[in-house]
Amino acid sequence: SYVLTQPPSVSVAPGQTARITCGGNNIGSKSVHWYQQKPGQAPVLVIYDDFDRPSGIPERFSGSNSETTAALTISRVEAGDEAAYYCQLWDTSSEHWVFGGGTKLTVL
Amino acid sequence: QVQLIQSGAEVKKPGASVRVSCKASGYRFTDYGISWVRQAPGQGLEWMGWISGYNGITKSAQKFRGRVTLTTDTSTSTSYMELRSLRSDDTAIYYCARDMHPSDSAPFDYWGQGTLVTVSS
Repeated sequence: SYVLTQPPSVSVAPGQTARITCGGNNIGSKSVHWYQQKPGQAPVLVIYDDFDRPSGIPERFSGSNSETTAALTISRVEAGDEAAYYCQLWDTSSEHWVFGGGTKLTVL
Repeated sequence: QVQLIQSGAEVKKPGASVRVSCKASGYRFTDYGISWVRQAPGQGLEWMGWISGYNGITKSAQKFRGRVTLTTDTSTSTSYMELRSLRSDDTAIYYCARDMHPSDSAPFDYWGQGTLVTVSS
């Protein structure tokens, strides 16, 4: 089955840029989505189809996807961005949704 | 506005079954599918399955086949997830989530508030 690999944690100072990666076999050929989940809350879609933002998501959130790595980039990080972030894609061969293991973003 | 309201917390004994409901409002129920995702304590997100709001067609993760049943009631715009033969490692928060657009491979733009299911003897 398809596996998505994320770093368990990323730390960044306020105002800096955070980059969270998501690795998978030939991931560049698939559409990757990203969710933010704060403690005690349901996930929120922040990036879909590699780089599109749903309405209401700040422009500070951006996405990219190429070859074996997709990435979520958060510019000018704020304390309120501290959360777990999950990548996701639809595996057409198994017809399964696959989530990465999640990355805990800590704002120092 | 789109809302997904789930049923309340459940406590079940091992071997029992649980049914969680997800009532949708603010959109035409039959236009979008619903996925079910669970999250064990301190763990990541795990997709369980998907059901079409239009015709009830389902897809489920291999791990849960034979143990999970997804259904919908279009008259009440409600989706249901039943999980049978519960084990302690089924203890988790169970979420329903709506497809962003009418496709089984669309990301999830709205989520329910989650339902905690605790399996304990």
